[in-house]
Amino acid sequence: EIVLTQSSATLSLSPGERATLSCRASQSVSNFLAWYQQKPGQAPRLIIFDASNRATGMPARFSGSGSGTDFTLTISSLEPEDFAVYYCQQRQTWPYTFGQGTKLEI
Amino acid sequence: QVQLVESGGGLVKPEGSLRLSCAASGFSFTDYYMSWIRQSPQRGLEWIAYISAKNSYIDYADSVKGRFTISRDNAKNSVYLQMTRLRVEDTAVYYCARGRAGVLNSWGQGTLVTVSS
Repeated sequence: EIVLTQSSATLSLSPGERATLSCRASQSVSNFLAWYQQKPGQAPRLIIFDASNRATGMPARFSGSGSGTDFTLTISSLEPEDFAVYYCQQRQTWPYTFGQGTKLEI
Repeated sequence: QVQLVESGGGLVKPEGSLRLSCAASGFSFTDYYMSWIRQSPQRGLEWIAYISAKNSYIDYADSVKGRFTISRDNAKNSVYLQMTRLRVEDTAVYYCARGRAGVLNSWGQGTLVTVSS
């Protein structure tokens, strides 16, 4: 099973700042990596798929990069509604797995 | 708009059974794989099963293989998860989600399953 490790459990930033979240895979997942956002009491929501493609309706301040084993989600200028938990997920090999999450807090 | 509504969660004793349902609307159901994902504080997000659009492909996480069964009824736009021999560690919020090729682009609101004596 491919293990995804998100390097920070919590990231404390302020609105207007740039956020950089990391995800490392235990083996190559090519570019088959997605990012999800989850707010309290809600289901996760797809932000980025295949490492760098924004999901429908996601603002341009969200961007993704990386390939192989190292990936980054960048939020260029944080809005108040961006403070949430972010998960990475790989679809290279079944079982598809998620990282443990990074909580982005003010 | 896309809607996925789960039902069937609740409290069940260890070794008991439960059947979850997910009613889909707002999209062409037969164009999508459907999946069940669960979330608990102990195990995080765990993708436990998926079923292809025409029932051709089904797979399970090892943690539920042999105990859970995913199925779908395309005439009713619904997907199901039959859970048997439930364990305390199966306690979680269970989400159904639609997707293609391992990307989950819509999720339901989730239903809580609690396994406890």
